[in-house]
Amino acid sequence: DGGITQSPKYLFRKEGQNVTLSCEQNLNHDAMYWYRQDPGQGLRLIYYSQIVNDFQKGDIAEGYSVSREKKESFPLTVTSAQKNPTAFYLCASRRGGSDTQYFGPGTRLTVL
Amino acid sequence: AQTVTQSQPEMSVQEAETVTLSCTYDTSESDYYLFWYKQPPSRQMILVIRQEAYKQQNATENRFSVNFQKAAKSFSLKISDSQLGDAAMYFCAYRRLGQSGGSNYKLTFGKGTLLTVNP
Repeated sequence: DGGITQSPKYLFRKEGQNVTLSCEQNLNHDAMYWYRQDPGQGLRLIYYSQIVNDFQKGDIAEGYSVSREKKESFPLTVTSAQKNPTAFYLCASRRGGSDTQYFGPGTRLTVL
Repeated sequence: AQTVTQSQPEMSVQEAETVTLSCTYDTSESDYYLFWYKQPPSRQMILVIRQEAYKQQNATENRFSVNFQKAAKSFSLKISDSQLGDAAMYFCAYRRLGQSGGSNYKLTFGKGTLLTVNP
């Protein structure tokens, strides 16, 4: 089946530790996105990538880093510099030329 | 900067009845896309419907339809014959249309409306 997978579904980390969230897609989509969702808030864009080996900062990139070494994969690292990392993180992808983004199931990150 | 406002934090509807969710947006652009996404308790975002601003005809997808008022910058979602499975958080989103490039595919989301469907 084609789709977007995010792992793990729930993630717990101690304060001060870096953590990497996985996002994989087998839809052959060119573009991939990371969003953060907080209670009572809409989604906010962290980083996005239009093609392999290229990515741009979104609205709230501070404290986060990404890589795009393969078309299928767009991992997000939440660094210790992120002041309030506890949130729900959603990955999305989009076929080149299309305007529609499709979302993965999300990862709930809790920093203790 | 574009902003999207959903003025109804929560709404409820009786099963089989109709409900309308409101969305307004602020933009200086003339060409853009608008979307409604649904987020059920599983928290996966699902595209419900989309509208191109240059099209005057309102988009329809089965029981879901929109009322797009470009001059008023309003984009409401109507759900007809509501079903229990429609219970979810609904997000309105905006994307500008223009020259190709990454930033033009950025979605700006409202804060969402939580819809409850009563049996």
